[in-house]
Amino acid sequence: AQSVSQHNHHVILSEAASLELGCNYSYGGTVNLFWYVQYPGQHLQLLLKYFSGDPLVKGIKGFEAEFIKSKFSFNLRKPSVQWSDTAEYFCAVSRTGGGNKLTFGTGTQLKVEL
Amino acid sequence: GAGVSQSPRYKVAKRGQDVALRCDPISGHVSLFWYQQALGQGPEFLTYFQNEAQLDKSGLPSDRFFAERPEGSVSTLKIQRTQQEDSAVYLCASSRQLANEKLFFGSGTQLSVL
Repeated sequence: AQSVSQHNHHVILSEAASLELGCNYSYGGTVNLFWYVQYPGQHLQLLLKYFSGDPLVKGIKGFEAEFIKSKFSFNLRKPSVQWSDTAEYFCAVSRTGGGNKLTFGTGTQLKVEL
Repeated sequence: GAGVSQSPRYKVAKRGQDVALRCDPISGHVSLFWYQQALGQGPEFLTYFQNEAQLDKSGLPSDRFFAERPEGSVSTLKIQRTQQEDSAVYLCASSRQLANEKLFFGSGTQLSVL
């Protein structure tokens, strides 16, 4: 079975700082990779996804993630965070051909201070 | 509707009580998923449906958990003889197709078992 590790559980940044959230997965086969975000008081929503092709994926609100197959990683990045990026971020993986059955990491709580 | 709707939003149950949690997916969405999210953890897969067929229930933690989607739209997750360890947020998600489609999540039902 696949698993997902998110190394940073809590991150605090000042506005305009750069962000990188780590995500590693364990699974020997081909995977689809996702980042979901949950803003305070809101439901989980998709930030970006990787299925195939260019390993650098761009998502909404200036976020991007890079799939590095050799490292089993899919780190999330943003060059300059805003206060409104305060949220919980979840990395998730599904097996290719496994539909939308997702395995999530434990999440990273990001707080952006003014 | 505009999004995935779950009810009730909060449920408090005494240990040993049965509970039923409802999910109204987005109209026309074929696939429906249930996830369980314990405090401080990421969502964990419970079960999914394609239309009325329950294709995977491997994540249901015990035979006290039962899910149905009799007409391929609304789904109910039932937990019998609730235990304290069942306390969690129960998330429902739907998508248009089974594979490679964006999942839309509801706001969840927070279940507290006393």
